[in-house]
Amino acid sequence: NAGVTQTPKFQVLKTGQSMTLQCAQDMNHEYMSWYRQDPGMGLRLIHYSVGAGITDQGEVPNGYNVSRSTTEDFPLRLLSAAPSQTSVYFCATGSTDTQYFGPGTRLTVL
Amino acid sequence: EDKVVQSPLSLVVHEGDTVTLNCSYEVTNFRSLLWYKQEKKAPTFLFMLTSSGIEKKSGRLSSILDKKELFSILNITATQTGDSAVYLCAVATGTSYGKLTFGQGTILTVHP
Repeated sequence: NAGVTQTPKFQVLKTGQSMTLQCAQDMNHEYMSWYRQDPGMGLRLIHYSVGAGITDQGEVPNGYNVSRSTTEDFPLRLLSAAPSQTSVYFCATGSTDTQYFGPGTRLTVL
Repeated sequence: EDKVVQSPLSLVVHEGDTVTLNCSYEVTNFRSLLWYKQEKKAPTFLFMLTSSGIEKKSGRLSSILDKKELFSILNITATQTGDSAVYLCAVATGTSYGKLTFGQGTILTVHP
């Protein structure tokens, strides 16, 4: 039982490149979400999903896309990376309000 | 706009001290308040509070919620160096699953 897994752990992109951050959970939870964490700003919600086929925007959705085709997977896509997207990205899953976080992906956009 | 504010932003204490971390909030459609501990990796869940005046305890950590005054406190007694971390407060809102709004965090440093 791995809980929440994220890949890759680290990534460096050039401005304008695209990539997908992967998130998978084996806890059979309906709710999944993506956060970014920047120094001094806590965690901010990017997108979330309450079940397969259902997604919605969080506080800072611009520049990111998500889809939820299965209960287990919730990938986050950056279509055209910008330096402002340099951050640590956490995926989370949970039931009702308690959420459990993945180990994070540290992304640097040059 | 939902808002969660933590204080102090940083705190330095010595082992054995007792600390109190504060979290105040202004949100629409409150569901619960959560505390997390973060040590250079993913946040780990500590407590979830939904009712006023009921203390949650886990070892040396305890927390209580005041829904009238819109705040919560996290107490850590007999601090240890292993308590050094960022403590995050989050408020869940929404009609079904809770969307979390986080505070900035309190950086706690415990010296031996």
